[in-house]
Amino acid sequence: QQQVRQSPQSLTVWEGETAILNCSYEDSTFNYFPWYQQFPGEGPALLISIRSVSDKKEDGRFTIFFNKREKKLSLHITDSQPGDSATYFCAASFMDSNYQLIWGSGTKLIIKP
Amino acid sequence: GPKVLQIPSHQIIDMGQMVTLNCDPVSNHLYFYWYKQILGQQMEFLVNFYNGKVMEKSKLFKDQFSVERPDGSYFTLKIQPTALEDSAVYFCASSPGTFNNQAPLFGEGTRLSVL
Repeated sequence: QQQVRQSPQSLTVWEGETAILNCSYEDSTFNYFPWYQQFPGEGPALLISIRSVSDKKEDGRFTIFFNKREKKLSLHITDSQPGDSATYFCAASFMDSNYQLIWGSGTKLIIKP
Repeated sequence: GPKVLQIPSHQIIDMGQMVTLNCDPVSNHLYFYWYKQILGQQMEFLVNFYNGKVMEKSKLFKDQFSVERPDGSYFTLKIQPTALEDSAVYFCASSPGTFNNQAPLFGEGTRLSVL
């Protein structure tokens, strides 16, 4: 049973457009959601994160929108650049826990110049 | 910025042999993790470690797996004996405390190929 789901599996957008990556979860007790960016052959790098008490978190061109009632969140990447081409993972956890992150299966993003 | 280092980057061994994967976590971090990833797919939690003890492990953390961090040196994942299905990229991560502070930082991974 997959507790964190991501869609689409892959996404292609043109340079300068906004890419929207979706994530949903099942466990209503999750309260912390980091997004990781992974380039081929590298480890995942923390990109941006949000706590469930917030409905929006912005960092430069990256914004998380969070809907607690529907247990959904999305990552928006504005003014997409070819260097943003990577796989993006949504993860979930309990913020006061030092335990495991539950990961989605990732969205492979391709930005066409 | 701070980095988690993993050694080696690639390891090739014969099935049945023992392998030790090494991780040098961020110096002031207290919690350590191992994750397994196959072919760029979903990251799967194996184990976390704090204060010299395993805190939690998943069903992927078979009896053949063990972790330790002797005397504050490398945090290691040992697999003995290895099996073909152990071929994957293993990522080490560390965090300073609970996720209240910061989500875990990940290393570059060790690609393990079991022949």
